Amino acid sequence: GQQVMQIPQYQHVQEGEDFTTYCNSSTTLSNIQWYKQRPGGHPVFLIQLVKSGEVKKQKRLTFQFGEAKKNSSLHITATQTTDVGTYFCAGPSRPNTGKLIFGQGTTLQVKP
Amino acid sequence: EPEVTQTPSHQVTQMGQEVILRCVPISNHLYFYWYRQILGQKVEFLVSFYNNEISEKSEIFDDQFSVERPDGSNFTLKIRSTKLEDSAMYFCASSGGQETQYFGPGTRLLVL
Repeated sequence: GQQVMQIPQYQHVQEGEDFTTYCNSSTTLSNIQWYKQRPGGHPVFLIQLVKSGEVKKQKRLTFQFGEAKKNSSLHITATQTTDVGTYFCAGPSRPNTGKLIFGQGTTLQVKP
Repeated sequence: EPEVTQTPSHQVTQMGQEVILRCVPISNHLYFYWYRQILGQKVEFLVSFYNNEISEKSEIFDDQFSVERPDGSNFTLKIRSTKLEDSAMYFCASSGGQETQYFGPGTRLLVL
């Protein structure tokens, strides 16, 4: 079945350093969504990318959807301690479905 | 801002007992979902529900699981005879369309 892989699994950075997590799907996606989960919390929707090659920015966060719509990345510039958490990408198992397949997540630790 | 709510926040039960997890989706949403997350692992889809019926379910969602929307506001997940491996965080989510899903805070289920 469809798989969504994320790397790295963990990343420790010094506050102020940049951070990137990569997401790869075994199948072409109609869209990709990114969620953030703080320790002990629930997934919180960050963004959805739909178009091939799409790039979206939210302050220090930059999201990119690959040309083939099978991969995506999230880049955080100048990390802050508030960025700590696990970042998940998720894609629908097929078009027009709400069934999301999540990646394993990348857990970000930021040292002050 | 509207939120998905879930009760209880924690549930401890004995193996073989029935549990009902409750969710109140965002009021104007039409699509409802249950996901689970075993500690330290990724979020896994269980079931989606639309127009008073299950629209999709995963292989995890076997005959021990059922969902119901007993009234206009609640959405419940029942596990008939819990097993040790059912211990996990259970998240309810809702969406207006088949896109952005808003997650509740979760119910942590511990089966002893």
